[in-house]
Amino acid sequence: GDSVTQMEGPVTLSEEAFLTINCTYTATGYPSLFWYVQYPGEGLQLLLKATKADDKGSNKGFEATYRKETTSFHLEKGSVQVSDSAVYFCALTRPSGGSYIPTFGRGTSLIVHP
Amino acid sequence: GAVVSQHPSRVICKSGTSVKIECRSLDFQATTMFWYRQFPKQSLMLMATSNEGSKATYEQGVEKDKFLINHASLTLSTLTVTSAHPEDSSFYICSAQSHKGAYEQYFGPGTRLTVT
Repeated sequence: GDSVTQMEGPVTLSEEAFLTINCTYTATGYPSLFWYVQYPGEGLQLLLKATKADDKGSNKGFEATYRKETTSFHLEKGSVQVSDSAVYFCALTRPSGGSYIPTFGRGTSLIVHP
Repeated sequence: GAVVSQHPSRVICKSGTSVKIECRSLDFQATTMFWYRQFPKQSLMLMATSNEGSKATYEQGVEKDKFLINHASLTLSTLTVTSAHPEDSSFYICSAQSHKGAYEQYFGPGTRLTVT
């Protein structure tokens, strides 16, 4: 079956540091890939997405590129802020029998210190 | 992005009672909604897929008679936890799936259930 693997956290950084959160996936066909963010005490929010190989999703300074050759969708940000502290989930959706069931990674907690 | 509401945000109930959680898609019609349970240390578990007008599809290991799901309209899905026990205490999150494009999820803010 489909699967998404994320680097384990927590990832702890100082403000303005560079962020990378690794994500790799296993799926047949051509899934769409997503990053969702969950702030403390809240539900998840869509952060960015990419629907085909070499697409780059971007939002709020975050970027991720759909790399089919390495089955990866790593999340990056050039300069993190304290307000970026949250849990980040990598996910995919793939059509299967008329449905589009999502598969999520286990989440990576990011802690940014001033 | 689309807005999904969830009600209540917090609920405390006694063991043996039932609790209903509502999930509403406020600005788009959602043929498909999902229900998740989130455990400590952030792990998100898909409980069931809720399709409008049909029976929900439950993931393996989720008791369908305990977690009743109804998706009576394109904007509302409900999860009823029946005969709740303390081990059902958790954070429950719903999502509505976009019916076009990448079929991304729009999540509700979650419901914290505490069973005493």
